[in-house]
Amino acid sequence: DVKVTQSSRYLVKRTGEKVFLECVQDMDHENMFWYRQDPGLGLRLIYFSYDVKMKEKGDIPEGYSVSREKKERFSLILESASTNQTSMYLCASSLPTGTGFYEQYFGPGTRLTVT
Amino acid sequence: AQRVTQPEKLLSVFKGAPVELKCNYSYSGSPELFWYVQYSRQRLQLLLRHISRESIKGFTADLNKGETSFHLKKPFAQEEDSAMYYCALSPWDKLIFGTGTRLQVFP
Repeated sequence: DVKVTQSSRYLVKRTGEKVFLECVQDMDHENMFWYRQDPGLGLRLIYFSYDVKMKEKGDIPEGYSVSREKKERFSLILESASTNQTSMYLCASSLPTGTGFYEQYFGPGTRLTVT
Repeated sequence: AQRVTQPEKLLSVFKGAPVELKCNYSYSGSPELFWYVQYSRQRLQLLLRHISRESIKGFTADLNKGETSFHLKKPFAQEEDSAMYYCALSPWDKLIFGTGTRLQVFP
């Protein structure tokens, strides 16, 4: 059973703070993703990674960066948190396309509030 | 442009009524399409994908390339179907999600 875990379920930070959101998967998946989920906007892709030390911008990368030093771990970094980054953040992982059944497995989410 | 449109934010039905959650997509190639579901206080999970052509929890979805649609249907809704449903398009390794439809099934 695939497990994707996120370091915190709830997080409250102040404007201007540097914030780290951690995601770990235990299925040796190559691909990992960070989304934010907002009512009325659905899920929007922030960054994704196909392999260690690789990263690709998604649709809304501004204000965010990522780090993937190990295959199982993908970190999302808010360099200077702002109130408009208050959201639910979802991490996901998957096998690469071409391996057969393609599915993204999601973590439980981190609800971040920036005050 | 690659886009997924779910026109309804909220769909409310009574138990036993038929359900259809609409999804339209914009994509120039041959898409892979999915429906994901998020029950209250649970993580987002795959419900079904178009190439498997299977029925999951009584739900089915048929890809209509002519109408560029992938609507999710169930003939008789149950209260436990109440959840947030997202349609998603996969052009490659990424997923492009729609804005979601909340389904409320009343007893």
